[in-house]
Amino acid sequence: GEDVEQSLFLSVREGDSSVINCTYTDSSSTYLYWYKQEPGAGLQLLTYIFSNMDMKQDQRLTVLLNKKDKHLSLRIADTQTGDSAIYFCAESYGGATNKLIFGTGTLLAVQP
Amino acid sequence: DSGVTQTPKHLITATGQRVTLRCSPRSGDLSVYWYQQSLDQGLQFLIQYYNGEERAKGNILERFSAQQFPDLHSELNLSSLELGDSALYFCASSASLDSLDRFFGPGTRLTVL
Repeated sequence: GEDVEQSLFLSVREGDSSVINCTYTDSSSTYLYWYKQEPGAGLQLLTYIFSNMDMKQDQRLTVLLNKKDKHLSLRIADTQTGDSAIYFCAESYGGATNKLIFGTGTLLAVQP
Repeated sequence: DSGVTQTPKHLITATGQRVTLRCSPRSGDLSVYWYQQSLDQGLQFLIQYYNGEERAKGNILERFSAQQFPDLHSELNLSSLELGDSALYFCASSASLDSLDRFFGPGTRLTVL
């Protein structure tokens, strides 16, 4: 199947770390992605990880990939109110980078 | 601003009608993707065009069709509209066929009454 699943909602306090989780199904996915969608806007690519990596860090963002369990997570350090948005993970289905399967999205609410 | 433009921003129409959504990719991008975002289906890939040719197809209904023109803008045609077609339709563009980075437009919100 092509299901990519995420928890629906996460609430954190400003300054705390946020961890958004995702499970995917296609073991042949070459790349896995995290996108951010702010209210009324399109999706913005935050980061991606190649399937042969376990971890990728980019400033406040850390992506962890557990390929055995098909589990992907996004950690946002020092979460700010501006990080409030919906976060989507996506996998490149069938190894093809042009066909992305998106998760259900996690709404991150950051409380001041 | 991603550089991808979509028109119209909002569209309200009736069941059975036909509409056309338009997308202009970022300058220089050859690949255009269409996605549908709805509450029950989430974000679904519909179709990809590259330099005027269809390259990948997702969950696109037969009532829907798309094309990419020589100037690289793209149109998504939705016909025999049903209530369930109400959704946000996003266009995205990328420089090449398999670019990792994809730039999304602001979307067209379609409401079918």
